[in-house]
Amino acid sequence: DAGVTQSPTHLIKTRGQHVTLRCSPISGHKSVSWYQQVLGQGPQFIFQYYEKEERGRGNFPDRFSARQFPNYSSELNVNALLLGDSALYLCASSRTSGRLSDTQYFGPGTRLTVL
Amino acid sequence: KQEVTQIPAALSVPEGENLVLNCSFTDSAIYNLQWFRQDPGKGLTSLLLIQSSQREQTSGRLNASLDKSSGRSTLYIAASQPGDSATYLCAAFSSNTGKLIFGQGTTLQVKP
Repeated sequence: DAGVTQSPTHLIKTRGQHVTLRCSPISGHKSVSWYQQVLGQGPQFIFQYYEKEERGRGNFPDRFSARQFPNYSSELNVNALLLGDSALYLCASSRTSGRLSDTQYFGPGTRLTVL
Repeated sequence: KQEVTQIPAALSVPEGENLVLNCSFTDSAIYNLQWFRQDPGKGLTSLLLIQSSQREQTSGRLNASLDKSSGRSTLYIAASQPGDSATYLCAAFSSNTGKLIFGQGTTLQVKP
């Protein structure tokens, strides 16, 4: 089975622009979570979606939004990009109940650079 | 507020050595604790998950322990190999916040 996939792999944007990152979970996984990882730090939780509903939100501004589609894939949108948004954005999927306590399977990430 | 700390930030050992990575958390109300491996510029690979009711988990050369009362977890790597070189992250699922909180990671280098 294919693992979690993310697109694009790399992205360069300028301040003030908008970006959309995409994630496809492992087949059969209904929960998708998004994390931001700044260089040298651990990932920070942004959102969790389960069965197309938001189940959790981290301490990120309203410029960050996400959604989950009927096929359980997900998009993370970031508006009005700031230099500080430069990071590796990770998507993770999990198998069953949608609790973040389930084993998380991570994708390779999208490296976003804001100039 | 749950905080997860990993010390040291970096570790370099010769091949074949047994080693221990440390993870501490401030809130003992955790549901479970997970250890992940991350290769440079890559995503995370789940290594072990320990439920709060468990004391340890083993997978191959890896053994993770959990002591909720002291707020500590350790990842033991036996007979280290150069292929073990990576960043190791621990993450605690907080029962209070319902969120997975990561440490900053320990970057391990195993020299041939």
